[in-house]
Amino acid sequence: EAGVTQFPSHSVIEKGQTVTLRCDPISGHDNLYWYRRVMGKEIKFLLHFVKESKQDESGMPNNRFLAERTGGTYSTLKVQPAELEDSGVYFCASSHLTGGVNGAAGDTQYFGPGTRLTVL
Amino acid sequence: GQQVMQIPQYQHVQEGEDFTTYCNSSTTLSNIQWYKQRPGGHPVFLIQLVKSGEVKKQKRLTFQFGEAKKNSSLHITATQTTDVGTYFCAGKTSGSRLTFGEGTQLTVNP
Repeated sequence: EAGVTQFPSHSVIEKGQTVTLRCDPISGHDNLYWYRRVMGKEIKFLLHFVKESKQDESGMPNNRFLAERTGGTYSTLKVQPAELEDSGVYFCASSHLTGGVNGAAGDTQYFGPGTRLTVL
Repeated sequence: GQQVMQIPQYQHVQEGEDFTTYCNSSTTLSNIQWYKQRPGGHPVFLIQLVKSGEVKKQKRLTFQFGEAKKNSSLHITATQTTDVGTYFCAGKTSGSRLTFGEGTQLTVNP
């Protein structure tokens, strides 16, 4: 079974530019999450999709961030315009279980390799 | 909002020594998960604890979930150089979002 994949692995852009990150979840996983780790701090939740719907987007830092998951498969996270403080590693994760028992095996989130974003 | 505190931030040990990292949540958790991130890698799921007072073992790793479901620990017996990495706890309350601790970066001197 292929894991979660993310593209690109690295991105270096200048302040004010736009960047789009992509995540392909594990096939069949309805739940897709975006997280961010900034400057070696904790990994912070950004948002959660169930299929194509945004279930929880309370972690999105501001309106410069736009996440989409058209068709309920892959997801994109666009940052426009990028600021210096957006630098960090953006992780995507997916899980299978939807509406099931909390703590069940299908509830496990599998992380992708991350995209390291550097804004200069 | 919910916070998960994790200590220590860094731990250096000699190979063969034991290692423990602790997590404490500001709120009661429905479950807690542990991840390991190797240098340059991504978080890899280790285990999930759901029940109050639960203890699980994976070879040299022992995971505990507190009776109040607000704290957890990961203990590694007789560390090896392959244990190097950052260990994160991540708690879940309602919904599916994980709240991560800041991680404990473990280095093992051979």
